[in-house]
Amino acid sequence: QQPVQSPQAVILREGEDAVINCSSSKALYSVHWYRQKHGEAPVFLMILLKGGEQKGHEKISASFNEKKQQSSLYLTASQLSYSGTYFCGTEMRVNSGGSNYKLTFGKGTLLTVNP
Amino acid sequence: AAGVIQSPRHLIKEKRETATLKCYPIPRHDTVYWYQQGPGQDPQFLISFYEKMQSDKGSIPDRFSAQQFSDYHSELNMSSLELGDSALYFCASSALAGGREQYFGPGTRLTVT
Repeated sequence: QQPVQSPQAVILREGEDAVINCSSSKALYSVHWYRQKHGEAPVFLMILLKGGEQKGHEKISASFNEKKQQSSLYLTASQLSYSGTYFCGTEMRVNSGGSNYKLTFGKGTLLTVNP
Repeated sequence: AAGVIQSPRHLIKEKRETATLKCYPIPRHDTVYWYQQGPGQDPQFLISFYEKMQSDKGSIPDRFSAQQFSDYHSELNMSSLELGDSALYFCASSALAGGREQYFGPGTRLTVT
């Protein structure tokens, strides 16, 4: 089941902040965040596994709510290099008790940072 | 650090031809994934392999098949190509015990004419 991302697009001026949301109707095993620049491969940013977890990576951080159905990506003091499409990937176990997981990407949020 | 390697990077084929894409995962990664991404779309999961066995199947057409070999490299075979198969094809690898974050290769851009 594909997670829902919002907003679809956001335009910022350098130094501004943004929040990208990712939600699912079911509890998730984990949430992954990736950034993809045009014509390039998605690049892994971070993974959140536990309800209530928060993680940071320089000025980019993310949270995973207690029910494990919603995650938010926070970009503070945005830089030109932050421009790209941000995808959340929600992970569910494929088979009970097994070791196979399935990652489903949201439709992406296009972030544009202007000077 | 070693990354995922994909070849070729670009491929042009005609309708009804076949294509083979190759992927070499990061050393010691035990899982390989294949994705198809059309222009302006999110990556669509095709198929995955864990320890050389197919672990999951997504929206992969019957015309496509894939396998993972004893050296862990994987190949995606595409037959009877259609114009709609034109896309970026990514391979990603992960280590199950390491948190399962996926590291993507640079992709193969397939153009079917």
